[in-house]
Amino acid sequence: DVKVTQSSRYLVKRTGEKVFLECVQDMDHENMFWYRQDPGLGLRLIYFSYDVKMKEKGDIPEGYSVSREKKERFSLILESASTNQTSMYLCASRIQGTGSKLFFGSGTQLSVL
Amino acid sequence: GQQLNQSPQSMFIQEGEDVSMNCTSSSIFNTWLWYKQEPGEGPVLLIALYKAGELTSNGRLTAQFGITRKDSFLNISASIPSDVGIYFCAGHTGGGADGLTFGKGTHLIIQP
Repeated sequence: DVKVTQSSRYLVKRTGEKVFLECVQDMDHENMFWYRQDPGLGLRLIYFSYDVKMKEKGDIPEGYSVSREKKERFSLILESASTNQTSMYLCASRIQGTGSKLFFGSGTQLSVL
Repeated sequence: GQQLNQSPQSMFIQEGEDVSMNCTSSSIFNTWLWYKQEPGEGPVLLIALYKAGELTSNGRLTAQFGITRKDSFLNISASIPSDVGIYFCAGHTGGGADGLTFGKGTHLIIQP
């Protein structure tokens, strides 16, 4: 079975802290994605990665960076967390060339105080 | 970026009723997908549509890829309590490794 694991279910951080959200997939998928989900706004793409060490900006990359040092792991970094980054963060992965089927993790609910 | 208009935003229905929701776009998509998200979980793929006009079923769920490639609908027949959740449409233009464009979701609430 496909498995995308996000390391934390809930996270509470303070404004200005550096925050790392980790995602691991066990399916050898090339592509990985980070979305944020906010009520009334749906899912918005922050960053994605074609493959190891590759990254591309999505629709809302400001205030975020990513790291993909290994194929199975895709990290989202908030360099200096702000209250408007309080959100549900969803990681997803996909086999390159399979079109569009994304497999999602269970999400990390981040609160920035 | 591209935008999908998903409606309705929420639905309050009685158990056993049929449900219909749809997505429209000003852009053409080559793939339409429907996802369901239950509380505390990530979205799970329900149905994927790859050809204009395609009608696909998955149990009590039926989805169609619009002929113009700018819309899609999802029907749920004879709803049951476990159908509760948020349903998202998503479109993909194809090519590259870009992500999907998602609608804002339809929140389905079922009263027994």
